[in-house]
Amino acid sequence: DVKVTQSSRYLVKRTGEKVFLECVQDMDHENMFWYRQDPGLGLRLIYFSYDVKMKEKGDIPEGYSVSREKKERFSLILESASTNQTSMYLCASRSLTSGGAETQYFGPGTRLLVL
Amino acid sequence: AQSVAQPEDQVNVAEGNPLTVKCTYSVSGNPYLFWYVQYPNRGLQFLLKYITGDNLVKGSYGFEAEFNKSQTSFHLKKPSALVSDSALYFCAVRLYNFNKFYFGSGTKLNVKP
Repeated sequence: DVKVTQSSRYLVKRTGEKVFLECVQDMDHENMFWYRQDPGLGLRLIYFSYDVKMKEKGDIPEGYSVSREKKERFSLILESASTNQTSMYLCASRSLTSGGAETQYFGPGTRLLVL
Repeated sequence: AQSVAQPEDQVNVAEGNPLTVKCTYSVSGNPYLFWYVQYPNRGLQFLLKYITGDNLVKGSYGFEAEFNKSQTSFHLKKPSALVSDSALYFCAVRLYNFNKFYFGSGTKLNVKP
């Protein structure tokens, strides 16, 4: 079974802090994604990475950056946390070996509260 | 622009009755379509997908979905709902040869005993 883990389930930070969210997958997937989930808005893509050191902005990249130094790990960084970044953050990974038909596999999520 | 719409924020159904969760999409190309379920405080779990072929797709936990190209819809169905089906359901679409998934806003399914 594919396993995607996220470093924290719940996180409380103060405005202005630098925040690191870590995601690790154990299936050698090429693609990895960071989403935020807010009520009524569904999932919105922040960044994705199609391979090591390769990244592409999603729909809402402002205020975020990412790092992918190793294939299994994809980090989301909030350079200076703000209260409007309070949200549920979901990491996902996907293999490219099925001709494009492969689904995404999600981690359990990190619920971030910025005070 | 690609988009996915789930017109109902919430669907209420009695246990044992059939359920339908609606999804329509707007894409410029041939879509891959997915349904995911999210239980409280959990990540999303894959339910089923349509890639090509038979318009009726069967997935996990007795769910199925019907792809309708003319109506650009991909409604999720189950013949007999269970209380344990109560969760948040997301429809998603991806275009062939693109990495991005587009998600609907989610529909909360409440199954009452």
